[in-house]
Amino acid sequence: GEDVEQSLFLSVREGDSSVINCTYTDSSSTYLYWYKQEPGAGLQLLTYIFSNMDMKQDQRLTVLLNKKDKHLSLRIADTQTGDSAIYFCAEIPDTGRRALTFGSGTRLQVQP
Amino acid sequence: EPEVTQTPSHQVTQMGQEVILRCVPISNHLYFYWYRQILGQKVEFLVSFYNNEISEKSEIFDDQFSVERPDGSNFTLKIRSTKLEDSAMYFCASSDANTDTQYFGPGTRLTVL
Repeated sequence: GEDVEQSLFLSVREGDSSVINCTYTDSSSTYLYWYKQEPGAGLQLLTYIFSNMDMKQDQRLTVLLNKKDKHLSLRIADTQTGDSAIYFCAEIPDTGRRALTFGSGTRLQVQP
Repeated sequence: EPEVTQTPSHQVTQMGQEVILRCVPISNHLYFYWYRQILGQKVEFLVSFYNNEISEKSEIFDDQFSVERPDGSNFTLKIRSTKLEDSAMYFCASSDANTDTQYFGPGTRLTVL
């Protein structure tokens, strides 16, 4: 079945790098996404990666994809207090479908 | 930058009442979605809509739910007879025809008393 797993909580100091991890089960996943949710707010698309890529960098964000291990990570360089939020990993499990399957979210707390 | 909008931001209703949640997707997008997030739980897919019909739905999307695109800009989710367990944040999303990247609205918090 389809399942996306994330650790629930991560605490880092301001200026450090944060690495948020995600594992997924569906090997046919074509797109994998990272969304950010600030308290009381909606889901903000941060970045995405196609399954034929290993890495994608976008300013302070680096996404790494290990298809063999079905492992996805989001690295935030120079983490700021404004990065404190819940980060959701999501996949579209099958080609031909468009429904996103979300992980449970990782709460990132940035200590000043 | 274009964005998905949703109204109202918060809806309180009595059990058994009908509610309609409204969304305005990004204007050139052709695919529309509803998701919900029960407090403390995962975001769950409800339904997708394309070319004026439902293209995919989950087990959650039973006969109590319906979707409609009543005009060229709005996309609505109706819950016919609300239950306590329908209390959740409901997110609308849209995507264009070329990519599967979905852009989400700010959500409507539905509270059923």
